[in-house]
This record gives sequence, C-alpha cells and structure tokens, in this order.
Amino acid sequence: GQQLNQSPQSMFIQEGEDVSMNCTSSSIFNTWLWYKQDPGEGPVLLIALYKAGELTSNGRLTAQFGITRKDSFLNISASIPSDVGIYFCAGQFNQAGTALIFGKGTTLSVSS
Amino acid sequence: DAGVIQSPRHEVTEMGQEVTLRCKPISGHNSLFWYRQTMMRGLELLIYFNNNVPIDDSGMPEDRFSAKMPNASFSTLKIQPSEPRDSAVYFCASSLDRAGGYTFGSGTRLTVV
Repeated sequence: GQQLNQSPQSMFIQEGEDVSMNCTSSSIFNTWLWYKQDPGEGPVLLIALYKAGELTSNGRLTAQFGITRKDSFLNISASIPSDVGIYFCAGQFNQAGTALIFGKGTTLSVSS
Repeated sequence: DAGVIQSPRHEVTEMGQEVTLRCKPISGHNSLFWYRQTMMRGLELLIYFNNNVPIDDSGMPEDRFSAKMPNASFSTLKIQPSEPRDSAVYFCASSLDRAGGYTFGSGTRLTVV
C-alpha cells in the first residue's frame, strides 16, 4: 500500500527554538495536510495545502507543498511548551474513493 | 458544533466478547472514516463511507470487523469476537468533501484482555 515517510520520528528541543519536519512519498498527492495530536485526543488539522509549491502559514506554523507533489514540510518557529505533541503529515489523492494516508508521526518535546 | 462524538471513550473487554464502537459525525458532513491507531502501525484507515455507503473497506483487518452507517448521523464499528491484538485507539472522522481535512473524534481506547 501507499506509504508516507515522516521524519524525524522524535525531536527534543528547547523553548524558543525553531522546528522542522518533513514527509516524503513515492506517490504524487493532490493534497497535503498537517495534523497535531495531543495526548488522549484525536488529530486536529493545522494546515491544508492544495497546490504544488504552495506555502501556507498559520501563526507560528508554516508548511509547504513540494514542487514534485511527493513531499511536504512543516516548520514551527519560536517553539513554546504547548507545541508538545505528535505531528502527522497526511496525503490525499483527491480521487473518488480515496482517503487520507498518514505518516507515522513526529513526536515533539519542548523543554522550558 | 459538538464535533465528532465517539463512545465509549474507553472499553476493556475479555477476549472473545463482542465490542461495538459508536460515532456521530458532524451534522452535514457526508463522508465518515474509521481509523485505528497503534504504536507499531500508526494511523490505519479501516473503512470509509460516503453518503452512508461504504466506499472502501480494504483496510478492515478480517471478517471479525464490520461497520455500518444506517443514517447520516450514526455509524458503528463492531468486532466479534475480539482478540488481544485488536487493542488500539479507534478514531472516527468526518468531512464535508472527500478532498480536504477531516475532523476527528476523541477516539475509543480499546483494551482486549
């Protein structure tokens, strides 16, 4: 089946540092999305990207849809303790009968 | 909006018992998805409905798993008989279109002993 390779698997950073994580795929996607999951909760959508090359920001978060449509990255600037959680990338083909395919997640720990 | 509502939040059952997980999607959403999350395999799509019709159930592990969506506001995922390897967090999500992001429920943590 389709797979998304998400890296890094985990990150331990100091408050105030910038963070970068990425996803790559062997397949071309029409949509890339980034989610965050807090403990005991479901993933929550952070950013959705719909066009190759698109760069979108949501507060301190910035994500880009790779030109090849096979990759995406998420940057978090000036991290704060509440950024702690698991970040997932997800790709979608936008074709009838397809659903989101998720990466394995990046676990972010922030020390103050 | 109350979001996607799943019940129960936690379920502990003995091997061999039947388990039913429930989901109420966001009103007006026409697609509903069941995912399973484990440490080893991450988030796996089990089944997906569009306008109450199952579209893709290729992710359902085996015949012990079944899912229904009798109407636009309710879906169930049933495991019968349950096995310890079914222990996981099961998420339901809904969306308005097939494209774009989903809204997830808070999940049901299932433990089969």
